[in-house]
Amino acid sequence: DTEVTQTPKHLVMGMTNKKSLKCEQHMGHRAMYWYKQKAKKPPELMFVYSYEKLSINESVPSRFSPECPNSSLLNLHLHALQPEDSALYLCASGDYTVNEQYFGPGTRLTVT
Amino acid sequence: SQQGEEDPQALSIQEGENATMNCSYKTSINNLQWYRQNSGRGLVHLILIRSNEREKHSGRLRVTLDTSKKSSSLLITASRAADTASYFCATKTGANNLFFGTGTRLTVIP
Repeated sequence: DTEVTQTPKHLVMGMTNKKSLKCEQHMGHRAMYWYKQKAKKPPELMFVYSYEKLSINESVPSRFSPECPNSSLLNLHLHALQPEDSALYLCASGDYTVNEQYFGPGTRLTVT
Repeated sequence: SQQGEEDPQALSIQEGENATMNCSYKTSINNLQWYRQNSGRGLVHLILIRSNEREKHSGRLRVTLDTSKKSSSLLITASRAADTASYFCATKTGANNLFFGTGTRLTVIP
């Protein structure tokens, strides 16, 4: 299974809502990533989990809270977001010995 | 920023023609990778070239790497309409994360 799945595909939320994005992989990868991508821009790294521990936080605002419950799952908890947080949120996984990353299809988030 | 620059930003060609896109980066790398992204979807890994390699082929793809100039190019031969997508280079340094270039939007006209 070489697939990374993400749910939901689309999410519309108000600025006072709390929601979560979910990501799952069953390739045995020990590194998992969250990226944010705005239209016509490259993906921007947000967080990296390595062996279920947060190893990189690219100075992301605290209204984004990542969680890695186990080696297959990665969540991104959202609270009090701003309209400028509207974007495509991509999850990826990777194996240190393989180097490439496998991406999920993304969650299209709209903050109203 | 470690982000790479790609050119052209956009490229439009006829089906059957070759497409070439270039990537420049700023720091020493372990490897350089190319990804494709169809509109609004996830990225798909295409090819990886290590810092000690100069050229690599995979099907209709040819990648070159010049570490002295900190640049790479991706050539897609005999393009097809299905190749229409955005293409990103990504560099990997010692850390386990990638830095993506600005991307090239390729349109292949049938």
